[in-house]
Order: sequence, then structure tokens, then C-alpha cells
Amino acid sequence: DAMVIQNPRYQVTQFGKPVTLSCSQTLNHNVMYWYQQKSSQAPKLLFHYYDKDFNNEADTPDNFQSRRPNTSFCFLDIRSPGLGDAAMYLCATSRETHTSYEQYFGPGTRLTVT
Amino acid sequence: AQSVTQPDIHITVSEGASLELRCNYSYGATPYLFWYVQSPGQGLQLLLKYFSGDTLVQGIKGFEAEFKRSQSSFNLRKPSVHWSDAAEYFCAVRTRKLIFGTGTRLQVFP
Repeated sequence: DAMVIQNPRYQVTQFGKPVTLSCSQTLNHNVMYWYQQKSSQAPKLLFHYYDKDFNNEADTPDNFQSRRPNTSFCFLDIRSPGLGDAAMYLCATSRETHTSYEQYFGPGTRLTVT
Repeated sequence: AQSVTQPDIHITVSEGASLELRCNYSYGATPYLFWYVQSPGQGLQLLLKYFSGDTLVQGIKGFEAEFKRSQSSFNLRKPSVHWSDAAEYFCAVRTRKLIFGTGTRLQVFP
């Protein structure tokens, strides 16, 4: 089945220790998104790639970076995690056409910062 | 500014009862509207979407939603709730990006 895969599902890191979260997709979608979701809140868009073009949200901290080496993979790098970065991180993909805008989400990575 | 309002933070229903989750949006142009469901510790699953055409849309798991432009609403309904429907439900409108409501947590009693 075509899908969005996130690894790992659970990640524990230490305060200030860089961490990388991974997302891959078999849907061949041209757009990939990273969201942060804190407990009992809606997902918050951090940034997205439209093909190779990176689009950062204005309020995304500089501490968060992303890489998309090819169509299938996208990474979220947190350079110096703080306690406030503990959250669920969701990857999503979409095929942007004039009739299709729905996003398909992965299962998420739960990040704990100690 | 574009926004989505889900007035009910928490809803409790009995299994077998009908369900309606409310969603109101604020957007000047023709909205692209979505309902997503999120089980605990999981990602979001698309239930249904509205782009144009028939204002009553059918989704997965027996859900449907009705778009009412005059009321700026896109309420989600299900005629008979199952215990497995207990989850968080998010309404969203697509503008430059997806704008989510704050979610409604559904609890189902046997």
C-alpha cells in the first residue's frame, strides 16, 4: 500500500543534543510537509517542500531545519532541542493539482527531550 | 484572517447514538474543506473533503459532512457511532496552507 512512513516512532534526546527525524513516502507526491503538534493542540505547520523548493513558515524557529534529498525522503533536523520542543512531529504529503489538495499524514514521531 | 472554529472541545455520546460535530470557517473565497480523525498517538487520517459540487459529501467509516455556504459551516455527521470512533476530530480549510480547528475530542460510552 502507498503510504507515508516516519522513523522512529518514538525518539528520546537530551537537551541541546541534535536530533533528526525521518519521513519517507511511496505516494510519489510532489509536496512534503512537517508539522509540530503539542498535546491537545492542532498541528502547526513548520515548513514544506514544493518539489525541491523549501518554504519556511515565518514563525518557525531557526532551530528547526529540513532536508529533502529526493522525492521520497524528507528529514527534520532540530539543532539544539529544548524542553519546549517535546511534541509529536507529523510528516504529510500531497499532490498539488488544480483539483487535489488533500494531505496524507504519517503516524508521527513522538519526541521526548530530557 | 482565515480561521476554523470547532465550538465543542469535548463530546460524549453513547454507542449507537447519532453524532454531529460542528465546524465553522472564515474564508473569503471558495473553501476547500476537510475533516481529519486522529486516534491517540497516531497521525491524522482523512475522513472526507469538499472542493465543489454536491454539498453533502460522503467519507470513510460511515461519516458524512454537509457544506452550507450561507452558514459558513461544514458539520460532520454519523448516524450511529461505534466505540472505535472515539478519537480527536479536526476540521480544516485549505488556503495557502491547511488551517486546522482546535479539534473535538469524541468519547463513546458503551
